[in-house]
Amino acid sequence: RKEVEQDPGPFNVPEGATVAFNCTYSNSASQSFFWYRQDCRKEPKLLMSVYSSGNEDGRFTAQLNRASQYISLLIRDSKLSDSATYLCVVNGGGGNKLTFGTGTQLKVEL
Amino acid sequence: GAGVSQSPSNKVTEKGKDVELRCDPISGHTALYWYRQRLGQGLEFLIYFQGNSAPDKSGLPSDRFSAERTGESVSTLTIQRTQQEDSAVYLCASTRIMGNEQFFGPGTRLTVL
Repeated sequence: RKEVEQDPGPFNVPEGATVAFNCTYSNSASQSFFWYRQDCRKEPKLLMSVYSSGNEDGRFTAQLNRASQYISLLIRDSKLSDSATYLCVVNGGGGNKLTFGTGTQLKVEL
Repeated sequence: GAGVSQSPSNKVTEKGKDVELRCDPISGHTALYWYRQRLGQGLEFLIYFQGNSAPDKSGLPSDRFSAERTGESVSTLTIQRTQQEDSAVYLCASTRIMGNEQFFGPGTRLTVL
């Protein structure tokens, strides 16, 4: 089983739609969770951290389910500019390195 | 302030040649990571450095790959006797606290002919 698994997509959605991505992780000792965004041919950039109680940043909501070992990202009122690959990132439990999922590709269309 | 910088931005080399890639982390960031990303694929961890501790080299794919870092400054990733399969974008990231948000450089796109 991969340490971090994501549905690669692509998710093709119309502008204004709500879309959700899930990610599962294998190490139950993991403590830190993040969503990164990567635009085509660019470096990854932090979108948001994921906190145990769930957190929201504008149109983006992240949630963590420790019991089932998955995290989710919800994007409301999607914009064309949201088109990118979304990377689920988990620390390995030892706190020393982050493991990146292979990413879920989102395409927002007119 | 300045972000993570990497050089060169692009490198084209012939099979069998050695290449050296450079990363300048954000000042004050104690941890530095190298990743490889092949076209259309996810990030592959290569190596990380934390202060003066021994680096974690567990992700290096072969003994042709090596990396150095002096203190908490510049790091170089060296690939000896390059192969076509080494073609990828090599990304460097730094972080102030291990396990927390990593800030990435723009990467070096390596093409081995």
